[in-house]
Amino acid sequence: GAVVSQHPSRVICKSGTSVKIECRSLDFQATTMFWYRQFPKKSLMLMATSNEGSKATYEQGVEKDKFLINHASLTLSTLTVTSAHPEDSSFYICSARGLGLAGGQGTQYFGPGTRLLVL
Amino acid sequence: QKEVEQDPGPLSVPEGAIVSLNCTYSNSAFQYFMWYRQYSRKGPELLMYTYSSGNKEDGRFTAQVDKSSKYISLFIRDSQPSDSATYLCAMSALGGSQGNLIFGKGTKLSVKP
Repeated sequence: GAVVSQHPSRVICKSGTSVKIECRSLDFQATTMFWYRQFPKKSLMLMATSNEGSKATYEQGVEKDKFLINHASLTLSTLTVTSAHPEDSSFYICSARGLGLAGGQGTQYFGPGTRLLVL
Repeated sequence: QKEVEQDPGPLSVPEGAIVSLNCTYSNSAFQYFMWYRQYSRKGPELLMYTYSSGNKEDGRFTAQVDKSSKYISLFIRDSQPSDSATYLCAMSALGGSQGNLIFGKGTKLSVKP
């Protein structure tokens, strides 16, 4: 149980284009979803937290107009990187937490990540 | 002082060794403690979770929490090359929707055959 998927797993795009990444909880309802960014050999950096049906809460320094987050249902959240530039190239990972899962309500379950390369 | 401190390593051990991974923290309100394992280019995977103080064992893995010292540990017995990964500790003060996890930076472990 508690499986989180992400799509796509890898994406290469041209500078200036927008890229959408999907995060789905496959076997549970995710009350909260999180989006992280991770640079090579660096730790996870929380970008934003989203609750279903509400606006996302962004961490300090994260541009909400550049990283659009939509959490339209209890099983789906999307991250759109708008007007992507090479410095946005990174590993983006989502996680989700929900009710009735092993480890309690605070435990987060992670997706496999999406590797974004902006040329 | 950072809320959660974790030695980044790298830590290199021979196959079969006992591995000890540790985190210290400053917030005495933390009650929920987790360990995640992250392989290269993959998302973190939940390994162990504990509530409050005490030990928890699962196969070759043992998690310990010492709240009086604000110190948590993960022990890996009979380590295998497949255990080579980055291990992240995580903790929160409250459960449910009020408890966002605070992560350590991760310790990179390499188990040599």
